[in-house]
Amino acid sequence: EDKVVQSPLSLVVHEGDTVTLNCSYEVTNFRSLLWYKQEKKAPTFLFMLTSSGIEKKSGRLSSILDKKELFSILNITATQTGDSAIYLCAVRGSSNTGKLIFGQGTTLQVKP
Amino acid sequence: DAGVTQSPTHLIKTRGQQVTLRCSPISGHKSVSWYQQVLGQGPQFIFQYYEKEERGRGNFPDRFSARQFPNYSSELNVNALLLGDSALYLCASSLAQGVETQYFGPGTRLLVL
Repeated sequence: EDKVVQSPLSLVVHEGDTVTLNCSYEVTNFRSLLWYKQEKKAPTFLFMLTSSGIEKKSGRLSSILDKKELFSILNITATQTGDSAIYLCAVRGSSNTGKLIFGQGTTLQVKP
Repeated sequence: DAGVTQSPTHLIKTRGQQVTLRCSPISGHKSVSWYQQVLGQGPQFIFQYYEKEERGRGNFPDRFSARQFPNYSSELNVNALLLGDSALYLCASSLAQGVETQYFGPGTRLLVL
Protein backbone atom coordinates (compact mmCIF):
# COMPACT_ATOMS: atom_id res chain seq x y z
CA GLU A 1 0.00 0.00 0.00
CA ASP A 2 1.27 3.48 -0.86
CA LYS A 3 2.52 5.33 2.20
CA VAL A 4 4.02 8.69 3.14
CA VAL A 5 5.58 9.21 6.58
CA GLN A 6 6.69 12.54 7.96
CA SER A 7 8.96 13.22 10.91
CA PRO A 8 9.03 14.68 13.40
CA LEU A 9 5.29 14.98 14.05
CA SER A 10 5.84 18.22 15.95
CA LEU A 11 8.68 20.60 16.57
CA VAL A 12 9.16 23.69 18.73
CA VAL A 13 12.00 26.08 17.93
CA HIS A 14 12.97 29.69 18.58
CA GLU A 15 13.13 32.45 16.02
CA GLY A 16 16.35 32.32 14.05
CA ASP A 17 16.76 28.55 14.33
CA THR A 18 17.10 26.31 11.28
CA VAL A 19 14.76 23.34 10.98
CA THR A 20 14.76 20.23 8.81
CA LEU A 21 11.52 18.37 8.14
CA ASN A 22 11.60 14.84 6.78
CA CYS A 23 9.34 12.94 4.41
CA SER A 24 9.82 9.30 3.40
CA TYR A 25 7.58 7.44 0.99
CA GLU A 26 6.69 4.09 -0.52
CA VAL A 27 4.70 4.66 -3.69
CA THR A 28 4.22 2.56 -6.80
CA ASN A 29 5.88 4.27 -9.76
CA PHE A 30 6.69 7.58 -8.13
CA ARG A 31 6.00 10.67 -10.24
CA SER A 32 6.35 13.69 -7.98
CA LEU A 33 6.56 14.94 -4.40
CA LEU A 34 4.92 18.12 -3.21
CA TRP A 35 5.28 20.22 -0.06
CA TYR A 36 2.45 22.33 1.32
CA LYS A 37 2.16 24.75 4.26
CA GLN A 38 -1.15 24.71 6.15
CA GLU A 39 -1.78 27.57 8.56
CA LYS A 40 -5.50 27.80 9.20
CA LYS A 41 -7.30 25.81 6.55
CA ALA A 42 -6.07 25.90 2.95
CA PRO A 43 -2.78 24.09 2.30
CA THR A 44 -0.55 26.51 0.37
CA PHE A 45 1.71 25.03 -2.32
CA LEU A 46 5.43 25.38 -1.66
CA PHE A 47 7.41 23.08 -3.95
CA MET A 48 7.07 20.22 -6.38
CA LEU A 49 10.04 17.88 -6.87
CA THR A 50 10.39 15.28 -9.58
CA SER A 51 14.13 14.77 -10.01
CA SER A 52 16.71 13.59 -7.53
CA GLY A 53 19.38 15.91 -6.23
CA ILE A 54 17.92 19.15 -7.57
CA GLU A 55 17.30 21.66 -4.82
CA LYS A 56 14.29 23.92 -5.04
CA LYS A 57 14.58 27.22 -3.17
CA SER A 58 12.23 30.01 -2.29
CA GLY A 59 13.64 32.56 0.09
CA ARG A 60 14.45 30.85 3.38
CA LEU A 61 12.80 27.59 2.32
CA SER A 62 14.48 24.88 0.32
CA SER A 63 13.78 21.26 -0.49
CA ILE A 64 15.57 18.35 -2.05
CA LEU A 65 14.52 14.89 -3.18
CA ASP A 66 16.41 11.60 -3.03
CA LYS A 67 14.64 9.10 -5.29
CA LYS A 68 17.10 6.33 -4.53
CA GLU A 69 16.55 6.49 -0.77
CA LEU A 70 12.87 7.49 -1.18
CA PHE A 71 12.84 10.65 0.92
CA SER A 72 12.72 14.40 0.80
CA ILE A 73 13.67 17.13 3.25
CA LEU A 74 12.32 20.63 3.69
CA ASN A 75 14.71 23.13 5.26
CA ILE A 76 13.70 26.44 6.77
CA THR A 77 16.52 28.78 7.76
CA ALA A 78 16.29 31.80 10.09
CA THR A 79 12.81 30.77 11.20
CA GLN A 80 10.20 33.40 12.00
CA THR A 81 6.98 33.19 14.01
CA GLY A 82 5.10 33.36 10.70
CA ASP A 83 6.60 29.99 9.77
CA SER A 84 4.45 28.36 12.48
CA ALA A 85 2.17 25.98 10.61
CA ILE A 86 1.59 22.37 9.65
CA TYR A 87 3.88 21.26 6.83
CA LEU A 88 2.42 18.55 4.61
CA CYS A 89 4.28 16.27 2.25
CA ALA A 90 2.34 14.60 -0.58
CA VAL A 91 3.36 12.12 -3.25
CA ARG A 92 1.80 11.23 -6.58
CA GLY A 93 2.21 7.76 -8.00
CA SER A 94 1.53 6.45 -11.45
CA SER A 95 -2.24 6.27 -11.36
CA ASN A 96 -4.06 8.30 -13.98
CA THR A 97 -5.92 10.15 -11.28
CA GLY A 98 -4.67 13.28 -9.62
CA LYS A 99 -4.59 11.47 -6.32
CA LEU A 100 -2.07 12.87 -3.86
CA ILE A 101 -1.06 10.68 -0.92
CA PHE A 102 -0.34 12.84 2.11
CA GLY A 103 1.72 12.25 5.19
CA GLN A 104 0.29 13.12 8.57
CA GLY A 105 2.10 16.45 8.65
CA THR A 106 4.71 18.12 10.86
CA THR A 107 3.44 20.82 13.21
CA LEU A 108 6.07 23.53 13.58
CA GLN A 109 5.84 26.14 16.31
CA VAL A 110 8.32 29.01 16.22
CA LYS A 111 8.57 30.93 19.49
CA PRO A 112 9.71 34.55 19.63
CA ASP B 1 -7.05 36.25 -9.73
CA ALA B 2 -9.45 34.43 -7.46
CA GLY B 3 -8.20 31.21 -5.98
CA VAL B 4 -10.24 28.12 -5.26
CA THR B 5 -13.44 29.01 -3.42
CA GLN B 6 -15.58 26.74 -1.27
CA SER B 7 -18.92 27.11 0.44
CA PRO B 8 -20.10 27.02 3.09
CA THR B 9 -17.14 27.68 5.39
CA HIS B 10 -18.72 25.89 8.36
CA LEU B 11 -21.61 23.49 8.69
CA ILE B 12 -23.25 21.65 11.58
CA LYS B 13 -25.42 18.62 10.85
CA THR B 14 -26.88 15.75 12.85
CA ARG B 15 -26.37 12.05 12.25
CA GLY B 16 -28.38 10.67 9.36
CA GLN B 17 -28.68 13.99 7.54
CA GLN B 18 -27.31 14.76 4.10
CA VAL B 19 -24.89 17.55 3.15
CA THR B 20 -23.76 19.24 -0.07
CA LEU B 21 -20.46 21.07 -0.29
CA ARG B 22 -19.51 23.34 -3.18
CA CYS B 23 -16.27 24.24 -4.89
CA SER B 24 -15.28 26.64 -7.66
CA PRO B 25 -11.84 26.03 -9.19
CA ILE B 26 -9.30 28.60 -10.29
CA SER B 27 -10.30 30.15 -13.60
CA GLY B 28 -8.99 28.01 -16.45
CA HIS B 29 -8.59 24.90 -14.30
CA LYS B 30 -10.62 21.93 -15.48
CA SER B 31 -9.90 19.38 -12.79
CA VAL B 32 -11.26 19.30 -9.25
CA SER B 33 -10.26 16.90 -6.49
CA TRP B 34 -11.86 16.46 -3.08
CA TYR B 35 -10.03 15.53 0.13
CA GLN B 36 -11.14 14.83 3.69
CA GLN B 37 -8.86 15.98 6.51
CA VAL B 38 -9.59 14.67 9.97
CA LEU B 39 -8.02 16.58 12.86
CA GLY B 40 -4.38 15.64 13.30
CA GLN B 41 -4.12 13.81 9.98
CA GLY B 42 -3.09 14.66 6.45
CA PRO B 43 -5.79 15.04 3.77
CA GLN B 44 -7.21 11.84 2.27
CA PHE B 45 -8.24 11.63 -1.37
CA ILE B 46 -11.97 11.19 -2.02
CA PHE B 47 -12.58 11.98 -5.73
CA GLN B 48 -11.12 13.57 -8.79
CA TYR B 49 -13.24 15.01 -11.60
CA TYR B 50 -12.01 16.15 -14.97
CA GLU B 51 -14.15 17.32 -17.85
CA LYS B 52 -17.26 16.43 -15.83
CA GLU B 53 -16.26 12.79 -15.47
CA GLU B 54 -15.07 10.93 -12.40
CA ARG B 55 -11.41 10.06 -12.98
CA GLY B 56 -10.48 8.69 -9.58
CA ARG B 57 -12.04 7.55 -6.35
CA GLY B 58 -10.48 6.98 -2.95
CA ASN B 59 -11.41 4.44 -0.33
CA PHE B 60 -14.69 6.03 0.80
CA PRO B 61 -18.16 4.45 1.07
CA ASP B 62 -20.91 4.96 -1.48
CA ARG B 63 -22.50 7.54 0.83
CA PHE B 64 -19.98 9.92 -0.73
CA SER B 65 -20.71 11.16 -4.24
CA ALA B 66 -19.73 14.12 -6.35
CA ARG B 67 -20.27 15.75 -9.69
CA GLN B 68 -18.72 18.43 -11.85
CA PHE B 69 -20.65 20.98 -13.84
CA PRO B 70 -20.00 22.44 -17.32
CA ASN B 71 -18.36 25.49 -15.71
CA TYR B 72 -15.98 23.06 -13.89
CA SER B 73 -17.37 23.82 -10.45
CA SER B 74 -18.10 20.78 -8.33
CA GLU B 75 -20.32 19.49 -5.54
CA LEU B 76 -19.55 16.84 -2.96
CA ASN B 77 -22.54 15.07 -1.40
CA VAL B 78 -22.47 12.97 1.72
CA ASN B 79 -25.59 10.98 2.69
CA ALA B 80 -26.54 9.39 6.00
CA LEU B 81 -23.95 11.36 7.95
CA LEU B 82 -21.98 9.64 10.68
CA LEU B 83 -20.10 11.22 13.57
CA GLY B 84 -16.88 10.11 11.89
CA ASP B 85 -17.63 12.31 8.87
CA SER B 86 -16.76 15.36 10.96
CA ALA B 87 -13.73 16.82 9.22
CA LEU B 88 -12.36 19.59 7.04
CA TYR B 89 -13.33 18.98 3.42
CA LEU B 90 -10.83 20.42 0.98
CA CYS B 91 -11.25 21.04 -2.70
CA ALA B 92 -8.22 21.32 -4.96
CA SER B 93 -8.06 22.44 -8.56
CA SER B 94 -5.50 21.77 -11.26
CA LEU B 95 -5.19 22.63 -14.92
CA ALA B 96 -5.95 19.14 -16.13
CA GLN B 97 -6.01 15.52 -15.08
CA GLY B 98 -2.54 14.31 -14.28
CA VAL B 99 -1.17 17.77 -13.54
CA GLU B 100 0.47 17.33 -10.21
CA THR B 101 0.30 20.83 -8.81
CA GLN B 102 -3.03 21.11 -7.04
CA TYR B 103 -4.14 24.35 -5.44
CA PHE B 104 -6.38 24.07 -2.42
CA GLY B 105 -9.38 26.06 -1.29
CA PRO B 106 -9.99 27.12 2.31
CA GLY B 107 -12.17 24.11 3.00
CA THR B 108 -15.53 23.47 4.61
CA ARG B 109 -15.50 22.50 8.27
CA LEU B 110 -18.25 19.92 8.85
CA LEU B 111 -19.34 18.96 12.34
CA VAL B 112 -21.74 16.04 12.73
CA LEU B 113 -23.54 15.83 16.08
